Amino acid sequence: DIQMTQSPSTLSASVGDRVTITCRASQSVSRWLAWYQQKPGKAPKLLISKASSLESGVPSRFSGSGSGTEFTLTISSLEPDDFATYYCQQYNSYSEGFTFGPGTKVDIK
Amino acid sequence: QLQLQESGPGLVKPSETLSLTCIVSGGSVSSSNYYWGWIRQPPGKGLEWIGDSGSTYYNPSLKSRVTISVDTSKNQFSLKLSSVTAADTAMYYCARRPVGYGTDVWGQGTTVTVSS
Repeated sequence: DIQMTQSPSTLSASVGDRVTITCRASQSVSRWLAWYQQKPGKAPKLLISKASSLESGVPSRFSGSGSGTEFTLTISSLEPDDFATYYCQQYNSYSEGFTFGPGTKVDIK
Repeated sequence: QLQLQESGPGLVKPSETLSLTCIVSGGSVSSSNYYWGWIRQPPGKGLEWIGDSGSTYYNPSLKSRVTISVDTSKNQFSLKLSSVTAADTAMYYCARRPVGYGTDVWGQGTTVTVSS
């Protein structure tokens, strides 16, 4: 199985802050990495696929980068609507399973 | 606009089989551009991928308990999870994944509790 880790697990930030979340895979997943945002009681929302491809309708303040085993999600200027939990997911190989990271909660400082 | 709606029992007894169906509207499960699958989230915990229609490889931790099937005649797909235990208690989401992309359309989720 491919294990995914995220850091930090919780992040306290203010509106306007630049926020970076890191996701690491236990082995290379090439660029087969997605990022999701989830708010309490709601289904997750896809933000980014293929490590850096922004989903249609997602604000440009969100960006993704990385390849292989290390990836980042950056929010350039945090908005009130961005306080949520963020998950990465690798989808490199069916035989390894498409693992999610444990999540990073972004809350208000 | 594509919509997904989960249906099935909210309570399942231990050792029995959990069966859920996802009804698809506004699109077709026959499209070769998409896979149809399931993801779950135990209460207060993170997301867990179960599997999708792109492969019979499912989550290794669920071993051979999972079956995902697509019914093109009814435009729906389903999940069967056998020999359930309390650890299978979760919110279950059905979802669509475009080939090569992350999961872009999700159902609202359905809560399944495993208890006698």
